Amino acid sequence: AQSVTQLDSQVPVFEEAPVELRCNYSSSVSVYLFWYVQYPNQGLQLLLKYLSGSTLVESINGFEAEFNKSQTSFHLRKPSVHISDTAEYFCAVTLDTGRRALTFGSGTRLQVQP
Amino acid sequence: ETGVTQSPTHLIKTRGQQVTLRCSSQSGHNTVSWYQQALGQGPQFIFQYYREEENGRGNFPPRFSGLQFPNYSSELNVNALELDDSALYLCASSRGRGSGDRTGGELFFGEGSRLTVL
Repeated sequence: AQSVTQLDSQVPVFEEAPVELRCNYSSSVSVYLFWYVQYPNQGLQLLLKYLSGSTLVESINGFEAEFNKSQTSFHLRKPSVHISDTAEYFCAVTLDTGRRALTFGSGTRLQVQP
Repeated sequence: ETGVTQSPTHLIKTRGQQVTLRCSSQSGHNTVSWYQQALGQGPQFIFQYYREEENGRGNFPPRFSGLQFPNYSSELNVNALELDDSALYLCASSRGRGSGDRTGGELFFGEGSRLTVL
């Protein structure tokens, strides 16, 4: 069985500062990795995903994540955050078996301050 | 292309009652998954439906049941509600097996149904 650990429940950061949200997973087989964002009172939106190939994946709004197999990590980074990035961020994993059941971490609340 | 829609958005029930939540999948998607998100936690997988049959289940008791209809919409039913069932219930659709999908599980979520059990 796979599991996901998000080490930080809350990350306060000032606007225009860099940020890293940490995610570690455990699995004995190949996995697909995802970051989802949840704004208040909304469902989850896919931010970016790692399926195969390049270990560095990017989103359209400046976030990036790097798959590190040796460290079983998939940390999310942004070089300069905006107030509008304030949200809950969830890391998720699914097995490479055709199943669609995602295992989510407990989430990290990113609070961007002016 | 319409997205995933869920109803109702909010509802309040009392312990022991039954509830039905509904979900319309995104156009072109034939697989629906349901997740429970308790306050302050990540979503937890309840079950998934593909071609009107349950195609995987998480660690939830049998009083959580579901249906998928020929148009790929879905229902989540919960019987004998307990206080701990209070949560946001999220529906997600995806392209499943037989569609040539190799995206490895990209889900498209609705905004959820918030259930409060008193």
